[in-house]
Amino acid sequence: DTGVSQDPRHKITKRGQNVTFRCDPISEHNRLYWYRQTLGQGPEFLTYFQNEAQLEKSRLLSDRFSAERPKGSFSTLEIQRTEQGDSAMYLCASSTPGESPLHFGNGTRLTVT
Amino acid sequence: SQKIEQNSEALNIQEGKTATLTCNYTNYSPAYLQWYRQDPGRGPVFLLLIRENEKEKRKERLKVTFDTTLKQSLFHITASQPADSATYLCALLFYNQGGKLIFGQGTELSVKP
Repeated sequence: DTGVSQDPRHKITKRGQNVTFRCDPISEHNRLYWYRQTLGQGPEFLTYFQNEAQLEKSRLLSDRFSAERPKGSFSTLEIQRTEQGDSAMYLCASSTPGESPLHFGNGTRLTVT
Repeated sequence: SQKIEQNSEALNIQEGKTATLTCNYTNYSPAYLQWYRQDPGRGPVFLLLIRENEKEKRKERLKVTFDTTLKQSLFHITASQPADSATYLCALLFYNQGGKLIFGQGTELSVKP
């Protein structure tokens, strides 16, 4: 079981720079989710895909955030013009449709200085 | 908007005792509820799912109850062990909130030997 993998594990960037994270889901899972988590809080929903279609995006997300899943396999999350408030753990998860549990990766920790 | 609340204070118990964690929600009706465990620096790991028409689920030392009248779920770990120390998250899928899981903020459990 290869699980969900995320890259990089850590990213430090200066305010105003763009960053991109990658997520490789479990191969047979057609749903892919992005969540953001800050210290002491639960994961906060950002967006999710079914295959290559982006089905929902949080209203909390600004236009600086964009996610893609071009071939229905891996996904990227890009943050443009990063701000200090973007510092968080970015979690990716995958699942099959229905009541299936989410399988999470170990996240990418972003620090914006 | 939907609100999910878990005990914000850490729960400290002695090894061998039963730990009980609560998850309360407001407003809309959930289709189902899931419980996850999260260790520091790692993504959440799925433990149990309980549907809206189920009152109780068990898995080994874990037991979950679901009271849709009280809008509350209780999560019990019997015969707790130091290895059970972690943060426990409840997550709900609501009928009118699309296909995404919404997480509570988590409760940190510490089991002392």
